[in-house]
Amino acid sequence: GNSVTQMEGPVTLSEEAFLTINCTYTATGYPSLFWYVQYPGEGLQLLLKATKADDKGSNKGFEATYRKETTSFHLEKGSVQVSDSAVYFCALSDLVGNQFYFGTGTSLTVIP
Amino acid sequence: GAVVSQHPSWVICKSGTSVKIECRSLDFQATTMFWYRQFPKQSLMLMATSNEGSKATYEQGVEKDKFLINHASLTLSTLTVTSAHPEDSSFYICSAIQGKSGRSETQYFGPGTRLLVL
Repeated sequence: GNSVTQMEGPVTLSEEAFLTINCTYTATGYPSLFWYVQYPGEGLQLLLKATKADDKGSNKGFEATYRKETTSFHLEKGSVQVSDSAVYFCALSDLVGNQFYFGTGTSLTVIP
Repeated sequence: GAVVSQHPSWVICKSGTSVKIECRSLDFQATTMFWYRQFPKQSLMLMATSNEGSKATYEQGVEKDKFLINHASLTLSTLTVTSAHPEDSSFYICSAIQGKSGRSETQYFGPGTRLLVL
């Protein structure tokens, strides 16, 4: 079946540090992959997505590359800011059933 | 584009009352909407999938009579928590897919509704 495994948090970084949040998936077929961000007290916002192998999604300095060979979609940012403090969810979309599968979320705190 | 709103954002009610939460797609037609529940510091739990003009599909373990879902138009789905109890207190989030159901589309999420049952 389909599933998403996400790096457990919480993650605490200093401002301007490099960020990596690991995400691996299990899927039948060729899913689309997403990263969503949830700021405190708010709903989820789409951060970036990739719909096929080797695609790179990017937004607001964040990047993730769809790696079919390693079934991964790791989120990276070269220099984090305090405003990036949030919970990040990796997700997989099943093309057939329109089902979404979410990881457990990784809480990121960036300290000045 | 692709904005989803929820109303209310906060609701406090007495045990035994019913609460209705609205989810609207503001600038697109959503044939499919999803309702999620999120507990503190946890991931989203899919409750049901709502298709316009048809009955909602509930996930295993979700009580249909407890959580009534109506998707009356292409821009509005409602979740009614009937006879709410303190254990129903949670953060409820809806999402919508832009485009035809059956294709993989990005889910656009509402801001969430925090329900507190006293």
